[in-house]
Amino acid sequence: EVQVMESGGGLVQPGGSLRLSCAASGISFSSYWMSWVRQAPGKGLEWVANIDQDGSKKDYVDSVKGRFTISRDNAKNSLYLQMNSLRAEDTAVYYCARGEVYFDFWGQGTLVTVSS
Amino acid sequence: SYELTQPPSVSVSPGQTASITCSGDKLGDKYVSWYQQKPGQSPVLVSHQQSMWPSGNPERFSGSKSGNTATLTIRGTLPMDAADYYCQGWDRTNLVFGGGTKLTVL
Repeated sequence: EVQVMESGGGLVQPGGSLRLSCAASGISFSSYWMSWVRQAPGKGLEWVANIDQDGSKKDYVDSVKGRFTISRDNAKNSLYLQMNSLRAEDTAVYYCARGEVYFDFWGQGTLVTVSS
Repeated sequence: SYELTQPPSVSVSPGQTASITCSGDKLGDKYVSWYQQKPGQSPVLVSHQQSMWPSGNPERFSGSKSGNTATLTIRGTLPMDAADYYCQGWDRTNLVFGGGTKLTVL
């Protein structure tokens, strides 16, 4: 059975930090690039970051470079997103998704709200 | 920054064919995929590589591309196809989503 499940979202003050996790099963996790995609309330989709199979290649959208770090633990079939120096504009549902070129499995998302 | 442009909304009658477009500079050189998202749900991949559909998805959905415009075509549209649709382009320097199109079936 395919399962992709994000956790770690919540309310955080501007300038604060949060670490998102994504636990995957049934998707051959270690064989694929993985990505984070976000969606601000009532808005469209925005790719945030991706990471290759062994974690040696990482890329980020310009707006999060230097603040967010993507990582993975293939032994635990898990993907992470460390988010620092959070801003109000980072408020969104964050999805974990399998893929680099396109995204064929998505989690249900976790909501991050940045507000004082 | 690179942008993909979609019409905000498209309307179609049940049983008819819906076409949703996506345009962008040099889109012909990019890999294009399409996603369906219903309210409160995660996106679902409905087409990639321009003309293929992912396993398990209805063959009513098909993607195509001509020049700098990609099109998602939904044949025999059903009421359950009402949703937001997003195109997504990829090349080795860019990964970007279109702004989304709300498909209304009425």
